[in-house]
Amino acid sequence: GDSVTQMEGPVTLSEEAFLTINCTYTATGYPSLFWYVQYPGEGLQLLLKATKADDKGSNKGFEATYRKETTSFHLEKGSVQVSDSAVYFCALLAGNQFYFGTGTSLTVIP
Amino acid sequence: ETGVTQTPRHLVMGMTNKKSLKCEQHLGHNAMYWYKQSAKKPLELMFVYNFKEQTENNSVPSRFSPECPNSSHLFLHLHTLQPEDSALYLCASSQGSGRLAGETQYFGPGTRLLVL
Repeated sequence: GDSVTQMEGPVTLSEEAFLTINCTYTATGYPSLFWYVQYPGEGLQLLLKATKADDKGSNKGFEATYRKETTSFHLEKGSVQVSDSAVYFCALLAGNQFYFGTGTSLTVIP
Repeated sequence: ETGVTQTPRHLVMGMTNKKSLKCEQHLGHNAMYWYKQSAKKPLELMFVYNFKEQTENNSVPSRFSPECPNSSHLFLHLHTLQPEDSALYLCASSQGSGRLAGETQYFGPGTRLLVL
């Protein structure tokens, strides 16, 4: 069935370090792919999305490219800040169903 | 007020209590969802409503009872819960119940539930 797999956390980085959080998916057809972020005490909010192969989603310095050949949608940021500390969820929309990964906790230390 | 709101934000209840969680969306969306978020587990979809009609029930125990009186409001009625039901309960809404490419779900802040 359709599913999303993302790298386990937690991830701890120093401020200004490069971030990659891996996400791969299994889906039939042409799914839409998303990254959501959850800050402490809050619900999930959309960070970025892509709806077709080779699309790049970007927001707040974060980027992810929809790679159909590798079924991946890895999240990257060139220079993280303390305020980026949160839990990041990769998600998939396929067959009218939403699927979420387990979440990757990121802590950025000054 | 905009977005998706949930009340209460925190709830402690005994196993014999009856309580209700409330969700309201101010986005004009047609679909609403209940999710359960537990530590170290993926988000668990519980219920989906589309135009007030329940379209999904993911084998949720009957001690959880949803109600959707209109497209803007969603309730989760709780009774005789178990300690393992303690979790963050998230409400979400979206425009087309997953039928639209790139359709985004908008989440409320959640209700943190503790069952003693």
